[in-house]
Parts: sequence; C-alpha cells; structure tokens
Amino acid sequence: QKEVEQDPGPLSVPEGAIVSLNCTYSNSAFQYFMWYRQYSRKGPELLMYTYSSGNKEDGRFTAQVDKSSKYISLFIRDSQPSDSATYLCASTTDSWGKLQFGAGTQVVVTP
Amino acid sequence: EPEVTQTPSHQVTQMGQEVILRCVPISNHLYFYWYRQILGQKVEFLVSFYNNEISEKSEIFDDQFSVERPDGSNFTLKIRSTKLEDSAMYFCASSEVETGDQPQHFGDGTRLSIL
Repeated sequence: QKEVEQDPGPLSVPEGAIVSLNCTYSNSAFQYFMWYRQYSRKGPELLMYTYSSGNKEDGRFTAQVDKSSKYISLFIRDSQPSDSATYLCASTTDSWGKLQFGAGTQVVVTP
Repeated sequence: EPEVTQTPSHQVTQMGQEVILRCVPISNHLYFYWYRQILGQKVEFLVSFYNNEISEKSEIFDDQFSVERPDGSNFTLKIRSTKLEDSAMYFCASSEVETGDQPQHFGDGTRLSIL
C-alpha cells in the first residue's frame, strides 16, 4: 500500500486562478506534513510545513491537513506562470524522521 | 538564505566503478539525509544520519552504499560497484531539529548516470 498518494496531473490553470492540490495518506502515525515545490532539474524547495491538523497560510499559499480523513491540501491563490512546477507532498512521523513523498503533481499556469 | 550545496551537479560513471557524492549541509543543522529520485518516480528515502551514525536506513540502502561525515562540514554518500539501476538524482537534505520541530531542506541534487 502506498503511504502517500498524489495525482501526478498535469494540472493546467489560467493565470490568476486558484490552484488546488491534494494528497491522501495511509499511515495514522504521520504528524508532520510538508509541501515542496520542484522545478525541473532542481531539488525540492520547502513551501509549507505543518504539524497535525489545521490550516496554515503564507502569502498566496494555504496548506490544510485533515487527519481524520488523512487528507492534505495546498491552495495557491492568484497563480502566476512562475508557479509552474511539480508540487510534492510529504509526511513523516517525527520531525527528524524520513519523509514519505507523494508522486508529485505537475502544475502549468498559462498566461 | 543558507542552503544545502551538492557536488558535482552531474556525475557520469562506468558500471562497476565507485562514486562519491558530496554535500555541504546548512551549518547549524544536525540531521542529514540522502534521498534519490529515479526519473519519473517518487523521491525515495535512503538514509538519515545523526551524531556521527546512521539513525535510519531504507531497504534500498544496502551494503553497496555508505555515508560519512569526514569533517565538520561535508556529508558524503559512497556507492561501491555501481549498477545501471543506480542512475538517478540523489538529493542531500538537512534539518536543525534540536531547536524544535524543523523541516528538511534539500540541495539541488547530483544527477548520477551509470553507463
């Protein structure tokens, strides 16, 4: 059973639209949830980091975690062409523990 | 902003040869990690390292792999007798941890091509 599942896309949206990304996970012990952005031939760049359930907002980005349904979401408001990238969700049981990644969703924001 | 740096950016090696991938973690970080990403696949955990010893390793991290912190700044991944299936992007990551819950920060990776 895959521990973190994520639709690989691609997801194409017009500039200015809201991008909605999500993941599901199976391991109830996961406590920490992250979203990373990855440009082509680059490393994962941390976008959002949350502990347990709840919402977190940072600028145009909002992360949501619902532990009861094992569902992780990322919303990008007022999307820009520069947001075009692959977005990876990741989870772990302890803050220092190994990350389990989703497959990544490719997002394309068209001008 | 401090960052994790990895060298080389691209390594081409003949099958059966040994390769060493190098990483300089963020200076005040204490936990170090290696992950790999085979083309078109997920990022996969290989190993974590803390206090000069391996704290966790995956099934992938078999006897052909080893890690070392040879000095106060570098963290290396050695692959002995490389195989074609070792071709992948290898990412180093580090986290601070001891000042509270801190996420892992990644380098831009080394693309390893085995011929």
